[in-house]
Amino acid sequence: AQSVSQHNHHVILSEAASLELGCNYSYGGTVNLFWYVQYPGQHLQLLLKYFSGDPLVKGIKGFEAEFIKSKFSFNLRKPSVQWSDTAEYFCAVSAYSGAGSYQLTFGKGTKLSVIP
Amino acid sequence: GAGVSQSPSNKVTEKGKDVELRCDPISGHTALYWYRQSLGQGLEFLIYFQGNSAPDKSGLPSDRFSAERTGGSVSTLTIQRTQQEDSAVYLCASSFQPLSEIVGELFFGEGSRLTVL
Repeated sequence: AQSVSQHNHHVILSEAASLELGCNYSYGGTVNLFWYVQYPGQHLQLLLKYFSGDPLVKGIKGFEAEFIKSKFSFNLRKPSVQWSDTAEYFCAVSAYSGAGSYQLTFGKGTKLSVIP
Repeated sequence: GAGVSQSPSNKVTEKGKDVELRCDPISGHTALYWYRQSLGQGLEFLIYFQGNSAPDKSGLPSDRFSAERTGGSVSTLTIQRTQQEDSAVYLCASSFQPLSEIVGELFFGEGSRLTVL
């Protein structure tokens, strides 16, 4: 079965700082990759996704992520964070888990706090 | 409704009691998922429905947990003889495509927060 690792539990940045949140997965086959965000008091929502093609994908609110297949990574980046980016970020992987079944596996999340 | 609806939003129960959590997915979404979100543990997969059948229930933590879906729509997650370690936020999500063809996003509800005293 696949697994997803998010290396940072809590990241604290000042406004305008650059952001990179790490995500690594373990699975040898074809994967689809996602980043979800959960703003305080709100439900999870999709930030961006990768299925195929250009490994650099752009999402909402200026976020982007790069799929590096050789490193099994899908790191999330933003050049300049804002206070409104304070949220918890979840990386997720969809892959075939065997016996005709697919699974969507989430990482444990990274809490981002942006200080004004 | 416009989004995934879950009820109750908050549930406080005593250890040993049974609880039922309800999920009403977006109309027309055939795939439905239950996840559990515990502090510091991220999202833990519980069960996946495609229509009324559950091709993957591997994440249910024990036989005290069960779920059903009727009419390809509403789903109920039941926890029998609740324990304190069951305290968490239970999230439901739905999608239009089945998981094997997923190219879109999951739409999440706001969750049901369960507290077992």
